[in-house]
Amino acid sequence: GESVGLHLPTLSVQEGDNSIINCAYSNSASDYFIWYKQESGKGPQFIIDIRSNMDKRQGQRVTVLLNKTVKHLSLQIAATQPGDSAVYFCAENEHGGSNYKLTFGKGTLLTVNP
Amino acid sequence: SAVISQKPSRDICQRGTSLTIQCQVDSQVTMMFWYRQQPGQSLTLIATANQGSEATYESGFVIDKFPISRPNLTFSTLTVSNMSPEDSSIYLCSVYGGVNTGELFFGEGSRLTVL
Repeated sequence: GESVGLHLPTLSVQEGDNSIINCAYSNSASDYFIWYKQESGKGPQFIIDIRSNMDKRQGQRVTVLLNKTVKHLSLQIAATQPGDSAVYFCAENEHGGSNYKLTFGKGTLLTVNP
Repeated sequence: SAVISQKPSRDICQRGTSLTIQCQVDSQVTMMFWYRQQPGQSLTLIATANQGSEATYESGFVIDKFPISRPNLTFSTLTVSNMSPEDSSIYLCSVYGGVNTGELFFGEGSRLTVL
């Protein structure tokens, strides 16, 4: 079936730098995307979402970019902090997000070096 | 938002045994989702549990192996039956935060190790 995947399995950055985590998706019908953060020993935590009628959305220190032409999603973290160290997953669905299952990508491990 | 509690948080199990994981939500929800996360892997949906009806299983998952109960709008259980080492995973319960939101809330997960 359709799948969501990531370009980079690991990313190491220096504290204070900006981080960019990428995700490629293959389901052209997907219209809703989410980024999750999973710290060691914890469940995934919602970071930010974006719908397909947008190409950019900003939150606190995070920005999600969506390029539907090439089916690519990215998460930008500004001024990365040690507390940002975690595995980041992109997820998608094709029903606008509400009450339907999400398909998760493989995950990128972000390590922030002090 | 939704607060989800799972029990047990972790367990070590013997091959051939079964274990039931409980999921309690602090609000009434129509759908509850059970995911599996194998070591170092992403999340894979096992099944969707609706109150008052049988769970809907994803490809590769069957009711005999992963029976699910959904007795009310705040509680669900997932049983991992006849376990083998390949079932060693984190099992996660999740719910949506509201009708018009796509934000899926997760419990902390139940980490099972099968020897």
